[in-house]
Parts: sequence; C-alpha cells; structure tokens
Amino acid sequence: DAKTTQPTSMDCAEGRAANLPCNHSTISGNEYVYWYRQIHSQGPQYIIHGLKNNETNEMASLIITEDRKSSTLILPHATLRDTAVYYCIVRAPNTGGFKTIFGAGTRLFVKA
Amino acid sequence: GAGVSQSPSNKVTEKGKDVELRCDPISGHTALYWYRQRLGQGLEFLIYFQGNSAPDKSGLPSDRFSAERTGESVSTLTIQRTQQEDSAVYLCASSLARDQPQHFGDGTRLSIL
Repeated sequence: DAKTTQPTSMDCAEGRAANLPCNHSTISGNEYVYWYRQIHSQGPQYIIHGLKNNETNEMASLIITEDRKSSTLILPHATLRDTAVYYCIVRAPNTGGFKTIFGAGTRLFVKA
Repeated sequence: GAGVSQSPSNKVTEKGKDVELRCDPISGHTALYWYRQRLGQGLEFLIYFQGNSAPDKSGLPSDRFSAERTGESVSTLTIQRTQQEDSAVYLCASSLARDQPQHFGDGTRLSIL
C-alpha cells in the first residue's frame, strides 16, 4: 500500500469548512483513498473513500487531484464534535487489512 | 443498528497471565480485523479473517498471540503470558466484504501490571 503524508495538526473555527490535505504521490492505479477519523477513546470511524472522482456523502466531501497524487477531505461546516484525529489511507480494496498504514494522521481542533 | 461490539472494554491483569478479548462483528459482515493501538500512536494491523479462516496473520507480534473466529461471527484474540509491552487498546473491525469500508468497535483497553 502507498504511503501517505498528512500535516500533524490543524485548527478550524466552528461553522467554517475544514480542509484536510493528504499527499499520496506513490499511489497505484488500483488503490483507493480512504478517510477515517478517531475521536478520543473511541474506535476509528469510516468517513468516505474514492478512486479518482470526487465523492460526497452526508459527512464530508473528498476531492482527489487529477493525477491522484493528493487529496483533500472537506468538512463543510465543522462543529466542536468534529475535533478528532483524521487518517488518510491508500489501499487496493482486495487486499486484506490495513496493516500499519494507519499513521499519525492529522489532529483537527475545532474551536468555538 | 448494532455496531461492532468488543468486550471487556477495560482489562487490567498481572504480567504473565493469559487474556482473552472478544469481538462481535456487525451481523452479515464476512471480514473481520484485529488491530493494536499503543498510546498516542496509529493502528497496527494484527490479523484478518475472511469467514473463519485467517488468510493474513502477518501482524501478530509473537507466538503468544493467537486468534480464532467462529463461522462469520464472534472472534477472540488470546494473549498468553502477557508482558508489559502488550499494554494497548485492541481494536476490532468488520466489513461486509474484503473490499468494503471497515467499521470499528471502541476497543478493549488492556493494561498489564
């Protein structure tokens, strides 16, 4: 699975959009980009995933660059409850497990 | 609907004792995963089940660690002769199929004295 690089931490004002970047310059053609988040003392929560087209669901939007070397997770109206560690993961869907690809992630602080 | 359930939520035991951790996946999910998360760190993959077979157990750190799964339901992770470095949160996840997103439980926090 390709390696990802994310900023260590970010701040966002409540009610504003939170844009979390992820670099995955070695991504392969069959690898998807997945985003998870982990709120303190809870297990990771799936947010969204995509291959090359932009995706949107009730939680967030995922923007993937045309060359697929980077992506951005967008929380359109951040709330205090969105404070969490956000993990960007790249993997081919037919491989088992995420192995050690859950790295340090981005710690997002949403402030009132 | 019910999510992934793990028990116990917390376990404190003495070094050298055996522990058994339980995971009840979401009903109908064929894939099940175990991970370990040490304090302040990312997730470390341990083992993956497809049904009751384990095609990938490459993350188990030593032969003190073992896991089994009954059919497409409950799984247990057993750690024998626990050591202090085994202290961590042990997370279980399940997915409808191998290529679907994983859904996680809240983990078992294991503390070895």
